[in-house]
Amino acid sequence: DIQMTQSPSTLSASVGDRVTITCRASQSIDYWLAWYQQKPGKAPKLLIYKSTSLESGVPSRFSGSRSGTEFTLTIGSLQPDDFATYYCQQYHIYRTFGQGTKVEIK
Amino acid sequence: QVQLQESGPGLVKPLQTLSLTCSVSGGSISSTDYYWSWIRQHPGKGLEWIGYIYYNGITYQDPSLRSRATISQDTSKNEIYLRLSSVTVADTAVYFCARDRQLGDAFGIWGPGTMVTVSS
Repeated sequence: DIQMTQSPSTLSASVGDRVTITCRASQSIDYWLAWYQQKPGKAPKLLIYKSTSLESGVPSRFSGSRSGTEFTLTIGSLQPDDFATYYCQQYHIYRTFGQGTKVEIK
Repeated sequence: QVQLQESGPGLVKPLQTLSLTCSVSGGSISSTDYYWSWIRQHPGKGLEWIGYIYYNGITYQDPSLRSRATISQDTSKNEIYLRLSSVTVADTAVYFCARDRQLGDAFGIWGPGTMVTVSS
């Protein structure tokens, strides 16, 4: 099984901050990684697919990068609507989610 | 626009079988272009992928639930189903159905989810 280790579990930030969330795969998943945003009581929303591709309609302040088995989601300038929980997910071999990162107001 | 809607009993007794339905509108589950998945989320916890079904009925369930989970479909009703046998309180969760944005890709479309509580 492929394990996804996401960090940090919680992140406190202010509006306008640059925020980075990291996800590490236990083995190679090539670029088959997605990032989702989830707000309380709602289904997750796809932000990034294939490690770096921005889903249609998602603001350009969201970006993804990859270095080997380490993946990063960056929010360039945090907006009030961005306070939420973020999950990474691999889909190289079946599907596995990371544990999630809650972005809260500092 | 494709929409997914989960439905189910809300409350299930321990050791019974949980049965959920994902109704798909605006698109066909008979398309060769997508997998249709079930995912769950325990209260206050992260996301857990349960498994998927393809248009031809081929399924895959995560090993952690494979012995208890069955995914099926009815193409005439355009519905996907999840049956989870011998449930315990640990199966209390919000259950989502989701579709790939394209075959083998990330989950591009999700249903709103349905809460299932296992309790006597």
